[in-house]
Amino acid sequence: KAGVTQTPRYLIKTRGQQVTLSCSPISGHRSVSWYQQTPGQGLQFLFEYFSETQRNKGNFPGRFSGRQFSNSRSEMNVSTLELGDSALYLCASKPGTSGDEQYFGPGTRLTVT
Amino acid sequence: QQQVKQSPQSLIVQKGGISIINCAYENTAFDYFPWYQQFPGKGPALLIAIRPDVSEKKEGRFTISFNKSAKQFSLHIMDSQPGDSATYFCAASKGEKLTFGTGTRLTIIP
Repeated sequence: KAGVTQTPRYLIKTRGQQVTLSCSPISGHRSVSWYQQTPGQGLQFLFEYFSETQRNKGNFPGRFSGRQFSNSRSEMNVSTLELGDSALYLCASKPGTSGDEQYFGPGTRLTVT
Repeated sequence: QQQVKQSPQSLIVQKGGISIINCAYENTAFDYFPWYQQFPGKGPALLIAIRPDVSEKKEGRFTISFNKSAKQFSLHIMDSQPGDSATYFCAASKGEKLTFGTGTRLTIIP
């Protein structure tokens, strides 16, 4: 099976702009989670979607949002970008109905200037 | 509030030696404890995981030891190889949200 794919891999945006990141989970996986990775804060949970519904949400401001489509693909949106949003954004998928193994994609490296 | 504490921050081990990374957690509701390995420019890769009903799990050169009463778990890498040089993260979860440790940068020297 193909792994989790994320697009784009790299992105440079200007402060105040918005950005949309995309994630395609492993075939058959219905749960998609998003994480932010920074040198200072480490890996932090953003939110998780299952069957197009947000099941869990981390402690991030409302500028961070997401959605999931009927084919389980997910998008994450960040509006009004701030310099501190520069990070590696990781998507992880799992079957969703049994087991807890989450498999991560390669991430999208977002740089805000 | 950091719920998973990981140590050491960095570790240098000679080739063939044993690498040991430790984690401690606070939330007794956690019921799943995975370890991830991350190489530069890559996403974390699931290495091995354990549930609190067992005290040890071994897969190849990798072993998790789990102490429920002390709320601690550790990763042991036997016969460490240069290819094991990476950053290792412990994590804990109850449900879908993974709470990660701060990571350990492991370097294996010849």
